[in-house]
This record gives sequence, structure tokens and C-alpha cells, in this order.
Amino acid sequence: AQSVTQLDSQVPVFEEAPVELRCNYSSSVSVYLFWYVQYPNQGLQLLLKYLSGSTLVKGINGFEAEFNKSQTSFHLRKPSVHISDTAEYFCAVKAAGNKLTFGGGTRVLVKP
Amino acid sequence: NAGVMQNPRHLVRRRGQEARLRCSPMKGHSHVYWYRQLPEEGLKFMVYLQKENIIDESGMPKERFSAEFPKEGPSILRIQQVVRGDSAAYFCASSPTPAGSTDTQYFGPGTRLTVL
Repeated sequence: AQSVTQLDSQVPVFEEAPVELRCNYSSSVSVYLFWYVQYPNQGLQLLLKYLSGSTLVKGINGFEAEFNKSQTSFHLRKPSVHISDTAEYFCAVKAAGNKLTFGGGTRVLVKP
Repeated sequence: NAGVMQNPRHLVRRRGQEARLRCSPMKGHSHVYWYRQLPEEGLKFMVYLQKENIIDESGMPKERFSAEFPKEGPSILRIQQVVRGDSAAYFCASSPTPAGSTDTQYFGPGTRLTVL
């Protein structure tokens, strides 16, 4: 079975500052990794995914994430956040089969 | 190309009533997944269906919950005799056919169920 830990439940950050959201996972098999964003009262939108190849993955809205197999991490970063990045962010893994296992989420609050 | 559609967006039920949640996958997708998001928690997998087949229901509560994805029409998540603890956001996702573990799951806007 897989599990996902998002170490920070809330991250306040000032506009135009960088942000990093931490995600660690555990799995006995190879996994695929995803970051989703959820804006208030909306569904989940895919930010980026790691399937194979380069460990640095670039996604939409200026986000990127780095897969680190030895540390079983997939941290999400953005060098300069906007007010519109205020949302909840979910890290998820998928192994064999099709179900996604999600972390508990990290709420990002961007302050002016 | 319309995304994943869910209706209703909001549903209020009294304890003991039935709740029916509908999900229409993206065009060309024949794989549907249901997830539940309890307040202040992440999403938890409930069930994975293909047309007319339940593939994985390991996340479904043993009683009162059922799901179907008929040959024609939307997927339905049915909750019988709802209790307050069923209050949550229920999300549907779909992925394209043929299914592969690299396929992205595309999520609908969710149905927010409130049980009074």
C-alpha cells in the first residue's frame, strides 16, 4: 500500500515570494506522482505529474516539482507567487492499478 | 471538449434519505473513479468502474454505498439511509481508454452533500 504525507497543512506566503510545498511518500513499488490544485469550492486541477525521465517536472502556472527517489519526495515549488495561487494543493501517488492516494493537502495563503 | 460533469453540485438530505450523485465522464473516457473528501481532509478513493463493471471497490464502505456505470448514461454513486457522517464532497474523475497507469485522471467539480 502507498501513503502520502504533506508535511505542512498551511503555508502563508507574501506575494512575489517563493514557495515550496513538501510531499513525501512511501511505497514498496514504483509510483507515478502528481500535484493537483483545488481552488475554493471547485474540483481538482492537475498542476503537473512525474511518470519517468527527467526528475525536474514543469507544470502549469509556473509551478515545478522535483522527484527524489532516494528521499521519496516530490516537493512542489514556485519562484514567485501571485494572489491567485491561494488554494489548496494535493500531492498524490499512483502505483499499479488506477487509484490515486492523496496527501492531506496544504493550504497556501498568499498575502499582499 | 466538455470536462467531467457532476450533478447536482450541492445536495441536502435528511438522515435516512437516499442520495444519488451523478457523474458524466469526459468524452472518450470509459473509466470512472469516485473519491470522497471529508471536511479538512484529503481525498480518499472509493471505487473504480468501467462500463458495466466494478473494477476496484476497496474504498467503499461496506454498507449503504453502491456505485454503477451503465452502458448508457452517467455513473451513479448511491448512498442509502444517509447519516450525518456522510456529509462530504464527492468527486468523480475519469481517464481515457485504453486505461493505463500513466493516464491522468481528470476531476469534476464535485457534489457537496450535506446531511441534516
